[in-house]
Amino acid sequence: EVQLVESGGGLIQPGGSLRLSCAASGFTVSNNYMSWVRQAPGKGLEWLSVIYTAGRTDYADSVKGRFTISRDNSKNTLYLQMNSLRVEDTAIYYCARGWELDPIDYWGQGTLVTVSS
Amino acid sequence: DIQMTQSPSSLSASIGDRVTITCRASQGIINYLAWFQQKPGKAPKSLIYGASSLQSGVPSKFSGSGSGTDFTLTISSLQPEDSATYYCQQYNSFPYTFGQGTKLEIK
Repeated sequence: EVQLVESGGGLIQPGGSLRLSCAASGFTVSNNYMSWVRQAPGKGLEWLSVIYTAGRTDYADSVKGRFTISRDNSKNTLYLQMNSLRVEDTAIYYCARGWELDPIDYWGQGTLVTVSS
Repeated sequence: DIQMTQSPSSLSASIGDRVTITCRASQGIINYLAWFQQKPGKAPKSLIYGASSLQSGVPSKFSGSGSGTDFTLTISSLQPEDSATYYCQQYNSFPYTFGQGTKLEIK
């Protein structure tokens, strides 16, 4: 059974850093596209970043230069390093699994990040 | 970036009805279009990819169609559990972008 479990969210001050983790089970992270998607309170969905099977990455302009997606194949875990956090980064962060013709087939349950002083 | 526009933003329908949600892309995306369902307080759920292919386990009451710039999601035989917000999303080019969502209420 495919499972994605995010962790690492919490309350952080503006300008701070946080690292989110997404522990995967039931499949191999490195064999899939893995993404981070967020949802601000009461708002829609925003795709942030993807890491492809070959290791190449893409980022939305809103987080480029501040966020870094990575994976640890030995731990079968996806990460999102978030630096220079802003109030507008407050959201639920979801990790997601997919592949070339179906970039999201499974979602994690999400982890809440609150950026506030 | 490719803009995705859904219509309507919200709709209300009765049990047993069939509804259609439209999604329009600002430029052609071939058939690289997915649909998601999100219930309040829950993570989204994947319904359709490739404009018309159902995800495993998704009931056939959900169907998708379209190509190029215009796409539809149709939900038949509405039940109370279909009450949710539905999002379309293009993956023809990064940044993959979502529509603003359509909130479906079951009367």
